[in-house]
Amino acid sequence: DAGVIQSPRHEVTEMGQEVTLRCKPISGHNSLFWYRQTMMRGLELLIYFNNNVPIDDSGMPEDRFSAKMPNASFSTLKIQPSEPRDSAVYFCASSRDSVTEAFFGQGTRLTVV
Amino acid sequence: AQSVTQLGSHVSVSEGALVLLRCNYSSSVPPYLFWYVQYPNQGLQLLLKYTSAATLVKGINGFEAEFKKSETSFHLTKPSAHMSDAAEYFCAVSEATGGYNKLIFGAGTRLAVHP
Repeated sequence: DAGVIQSPRHEVTEMGQEVTLRCKPISGHNSLFWYRQTMMRGLELLIYFNNNVPIDDSGMPEDRFSAKMPNASFSTLKIQPSEPRDSAVYFCASSRDSVTEAFFGQGTRLTVV
Repeated sequence: AQSVTQLGSHVSVSEGALVLLRCNYSSSVPPYLFWYVQYPNQGLQLLLKYTSAATLVKGINGFEAEFKKSETSFHLTKPSAHMSDAAEYFCAVSEATGGYNKLIFGAGTRLAVHP
């Protein structure tokens, strides 16, 4: 398996623009996580899906952030409008069930200028 | 809520020396515990995991960790550091919430290995 695939690897955008990050989990995994990593706050869990259903979105910072999982093989994290403080590395991870280890993608480095 | 505390945000060792990275957790039930490693510009990679079987867990690259319930600890060790071990290490606990489990990460420890 190719592992968790995220795109793009790098994104530079201007403040106010919409940004969409994409994730393809490992085939057969039924849990998907979006994390944000910054120097100041470390790794933060943003949202967690199980069987394509959002289970816990308490980590989503504000209404500017939204996430979807239309099917078992694809998820998106959207920021609209983006702000400079959203600059971070965003990771997607998946697991076979919620108690086993999560496998991480390479991340998307987002820079909002 | 469960939490993870990693003591020491930076650890520096000499090549060949013992590596000890500390992790303490808080949990009201037996937890699942994990150590992940992150190399520069990479995602997180699983080193090892504890799921209530043997308390001494062996992982990849010569690392191991011991689950000590009495100390609520899950410290990561390696007998002899190698230059390639320089990376950031994260301890994580699986937290049960609403019938599901999610991973809660510590703040991370950056390991430097010098000649």
